[in-house]
Amino acid sequence: AQSVTQLGSHVSVSEGALVLLRCNYSSSVPPYLFWYVQYPNQGLQLLLKYTTGATLVKGINGFEAEFKKSETSFHLTKPSAHMSDAAEYFCAVSDSLTGGFKTIFGAGTRLFVKA
Amino acid sequence: DTAVSQTPKYLVTQMGNDKSIKCEQNLGHDTMYWYKQDSKKFLKIMFSYNNKELIINETVPNRFSPKSPDKAHLNLHINSLELGDSAVYFCASSEERGGGETQYFGPGTRLLVL
Repeated sequence: AQSVTQLGSHVSVSEGALVLLRCNYSSSVPPYLFWYVQYPNQGLQLLLKYTTGATLVKGINGFEAEFKKSETSFHLTKPSAHMSDAAEYFCAVSDSLTGGFKTIFGAGTRLFVKA
Repeated sequence: DTAVSQTPKYLVTQMGNDKSIKCEQNLGHDTMYWYKQDSKKFLKIMFSYNNKELIINETVPNRFSPKSPDKAHLNLHINSLELGDSAVYFCASSEERGGGETQYFGPGTRLLVL
């Protein structure tokens, strides 16, 4: 079974600083990888995903992530944090099952943005 | 127009009661899911349906019973509620059940069992 590890349950950055949220996965096959964001009292929404092709994936709100197979990583970055980026971020991987897939979520990283 | 909607948004009830949560999606998707998010924000899949057929049934107590009357609806009924059932329950949908599909989440139902 695949798994996802997010390093750091909390990350704090200053407004305008680089955002780096770390995600490592375990998989014996090429994975499908996702980053979702959850704002307070809301459901999750997709930031970006990697399925095939280019390993640098661009998402919404200026976020991007790079799939590095050799490092089994899919870290999320944004060059300049904005106050509105404060939220919970979840990395996820699809785990294959007989007849389909299920999504395994990491434990989440809470991003704080200081003024 | 909400893509994935859940009712109720909040649910406070006593131990031992039976309750239902309803979910509807207007995206025309074939696959729907129920997730449980605990107090530490950990998100775990409970069930998944594809075109009204159950395809994922995780290790969930049989007090939880999903029902899909049609592919746009997936309801969750919980019998004999326990304190540990307190959580946020999210419904989600995706176009198909392939591994790379984006899931669209509802706003969640916050269940508190007293």
